[in-house]
Amino acid sequence: QSVLTQPPSVSAAPGQKVTISCSGSSSNIGNNYVSWYQQLPGTAPKLLIYDNNKRPSGIPDRFSGSKSGTSATLGITGLQTGDEADYYCGTWDTSLTAGVFGGGTKLTVL
Amino acid sequence: EVQLLESGGGLVQPGGSLRLSCAASRFTFSTYAMSWVRQAPGKGLEWVSAISGSGGTTYYADSVKGRFTISRDNSKNTLYLQMNSLRAEETAVYYCAKDLRWGGDITGTRDSWGQGTLVTVSS
Repeated sequence: QSVLTQPPSVSAAPGQKVTISCSGSSSNIGNNYVSWYQQLPGTAPKLLIYDNNKRPSGIPDRFSGSKSGTSATLGITGLQTGDEADYYCGTWDTSLTAGVFGGGTKLTVL
Repeated sequence: EVQLLESGGGLVQPGGSLRLSCAASRFTFSTYAMSWVRQAPGKGLEWVSAISGSGGTTYYADSVKGRFTISRDNSKNTLYLQMNSLRAEETAVYYCAKDLRWGGDITGTRDSWGQGTLVTVSS
């Protein structure tokens, strides 16, 4: 059971928009930055969003992040078949003094 | 571009030990915290351990506390994970990852990941 809760799967058509939620508590999301990772099949995770809503260099602005209270959301617009991947939210848990991840969300672009 | 190259994975019997290494290059290794994250086959990411840039601060997941030891040799730009008393359920790809922020403090954000090394715990 993951400390952070994500939906197991989401799907949408090419060109559409999708959001992925990540729910936590005051000891993790509520008081720490959230990051999002994209894991394409057979590859290592890749940082997509950091500090709740910032994009590393090279990440297109189709990807966005937000945080409110103890929840965070990843948004992807203009969906492409190449966006099919597993997406993970992550942060630090101050009470556990441990890194924590969501269980991951599999995105299918229909 | 940052490079992280894990090694040391392989087949080990339950109760056995293994030491993983992660060779880092193209960044000032000693000024960044590092982490180990694992992923069991078909499962999600699980944070394992983290170490500050100086090596003076370490944290572990409860599931590995007392059995795993994270360390680093800043003179060799190498991160290690000593794993003892391994269990079958710890079969996974183990990734080393670099922390986002310069300065050496441990944060919850990892901006570079290695390709991973597979650890199989089986008799």
